Amino acid sequence: DAGVTQSPTHLIKTRGQHVTLRCSPISGHKSVSWYQQVLGQGPQFIFQYYEKEERGRGNFPDRFSARQFPNYSSELNVNALLLGDSALYLCASSLQRMNTEAFFGQGTRLTVV
Amino acid sequence: AQSVTQPDIHITVSEGASLELRCNYSYGATPYLFWYVQSPGQGLQLLLKYFSGDTLVQGIKGFEAEFKRSQSSFNLRKPSVHWSDAAEYFCAVVPGRNDYKLSFGAGTTVTVRA
Repeated sequence: DAGVTQSPTHLIKTRGQHVTLRCSPISGHKSVSWYQQVLGQGPQFIFQYYEKEERGRGNFPDRFSARQFPNYSSELNVNALLLGDSALYLCASSLQRMNTEAFFGQGTRLTVV
Repeated sequence: AQSVTQPDIHITVSEGASLELRCNYSYGATPYLFWYVQSPGQGLQLLLKYFSGDTLVQGIKGFEAEFKRSQSSFNLRKPSVHWSDAAEYFCAVVPGRNDYKLSFGAGTTVTVRA
């Protein structure tokens, strides 16, 4: 079975630009969560989507948004990129809303220059 | 404030030696507890988890962890480290039934020397 897949794996953007990151959860998983991992730190929670509705949001500015599609895949959008947005963005999927067993993708490495 | 603390930023251990990584949490009630491992450039892999019951839990790759309520700790151990265990290890919690997100510690980097 395929695991959590994220695309792209790497990308470089310029300050002020917009970026869209994509995530396909494990088949049958209805919950997708997004995390930001800055170099040298643990992942920080950004969003959770469950059954296509936003169920939780971390302490991130409104420049960050996300959505979940009918097939449970998800997109994370970041507007007006700042240098500080450079990070590894991780997607995690789980069967239920409670992340009692979350499976992570390989992540998207975003570099803002 | 609610937090997850991993006191050791970096640990170096010889191959074949034992390993213990510390994790302390600060939450009102006993949260759900996890240990994840991250190899360079990779995502996170779940090693083990604790919800309730037996306070010594076994995980994959020969790891185990012990929950100690009195110390608010959930330390990870491995009796004999292999070179492939070199990675970054994260302790994480889900605070409770009504709080769904994983909150991670800052991580401990493990270096294995021959």
